[in-house]
Amino acid sequence: DIQMTQSPSSLSASVGERVTISCRARQNINSQLNWYQQKPGRAPELLVYSSSSLESGVPSRFSGSESGTDFTLTISSLQPEDCATYYCQQSYSLPYTFGQGTKLEIK
Amino acid sequence: EGQLVESGGGLVQPGGSLRLSCAASGFTFSNYEMNWVRQAPGKGLEWIAYIDTSGITTYHADSVKGRFAISRDNAKNSLYLQMNSLRAEDAAVYYCARDSGTCSGIECHHFDRWGQGTLVTVSS
Repeated sequence: DIQMTQSPSSLSASVGERVTISCRARQNINSQLNWYQQKPGRAPELLVYSSSSLESGVPSRFSGSESGTDFTLTISSLQPEDCATYYCQQSYSLPYTFGQGTKLEIK
Repeated sequence: EGQLVESGGGLVQPGGSLRLSCAASGFTFSNYEMNWVRQAPGKGLEWIAYIDTSGITTYHADSVKGRFAISRDNAKNSLYLQMNSLRAEDAAVYYCARDSGTCSGIECHHFDRWGQGTLVTVSS
């Protein structure tokens, strides 16, 4: 199984601030890295797929990037509605493992 | 766009069985691979099962292998999860999720539609 290590587990930031969340794969996953947003009591929603492709309808302040086996989700200017938990997921090979999640709070 | 609606969750005793269903609408269900993902209370997401478009190829997480079985009925636009020998640690919200399958003709996988989830409680 491919282990995904996500960091930090939680963070607090101010509206308008730039926020980054990291995810590291234990082996090469050929850019098959997805990011999801989950708000309390709701199902997860896809934000970014294949490392850097923005899902239709997702605000352009969200972006994804990679460097080797390190992946980053960036929110360029944090908005109040971005308060949520974010998960990375590798979809290179089954089982499709998720990171542990990053809980993002607004200061 | 597509919609997924899970049902079948509830309270079951340890060792018991439950069958979850996921009804698909608004898209050609038979064209998509499907998955089940669960989330224990206050915990993260755990992928647990995959099925291909035909229903022939399936894959289960080690945590449920031999106890759970994913299946589908394309004629009924439905996905299922048969859960046997349930344990306390299986208590969770269970989501069905549509697998994109391809990205501009190239194989890729991401979960672009999710159901609202169904809660399974395992307790005596």
